[in-house]
Amino acid sequence: DAGVIQSPRHEVTEMGQEVTLRCKPISGHNSLFWYRQTMMRGLELLIYFNNNVPIDDSGMPEDRFSAKMPNASFSTLKIQPSEPRDSAVYFCASSPFGRLGTDTQYFGPGTRLTVL
Amino acid sequence: DQQVKQNSPSLSVQEGRISILNCDYTNSMFDYFLWYKKYPAEGPTFLISISSIKDKNEDGRFTVFLNKSAKHLSLHIVPSQPGDSAVYFCAASDRDSGAGSYQLTFGKGTKLSVIP
Repeated sequence: DAGVIQSPRHEVTEMGQEVTLRCKPISGHNSLFWYRQTMMRGLELLIYFNNNVPIDDSGMPEDRFSAKMPNASFSTLKIQPSEPRDSAVYFCASSPFGRLGTDTQYFGPGTRLTVL
Repeated sequence: DQQVKQNSPSLSVQEGRISILNCDYTNSMFDYFLWYKKYPAEGPTFLISISSIKDKNEDGRFTVFLNKSAKHLSLHIVPSQPGDSAVYFCAASDRDSGAGSYQLTFGKGTKLSVIP
């Protein structure tokens, strides 16, 4: 299995530009999570989906952030407009879901975003 | 308010000795705990977990101990090896939250350096 795939690995953009981060979860996993990692706040959960449906987006910092999961094998996190304080590493993770399932989440390599 | 705390940002240990990483939590509803390891430029990878019905779980050189009354868990690595040098994250979930999936709350991590 290829694991969770994220693209791009690095993104440098200017303030005000739109940024789109992409994630392909592990095949068969039906939960998908977006995290942001910063030095100050550590790993923060932004939003997660079960079976392509957003369940909890309370971690999304502002309306500038949006996430979609149009099908079981693809998700996007969009920031529009981007600001320098959005600079961070963004991780996508997936997991199998179920009452008797595992809590273990499998992380992608992350996208390092720099907003100038 | 941090619900999962790792109060030591860094730890240095001699190769062959024991590494002990600590984690405290405040939410008494947490009933499942995990440790993740993260190398630079990679996503976190699952290491070991423990359910609240246990007080110890062992996997090779890694042992996690849980003290529910103190709301404290620790990860022991023995013997420590240079390849163990990484950032270790403690995470917790509330399996009975009814949210439909197992959200993880992460600590900020402890950077372990194993000195040859």
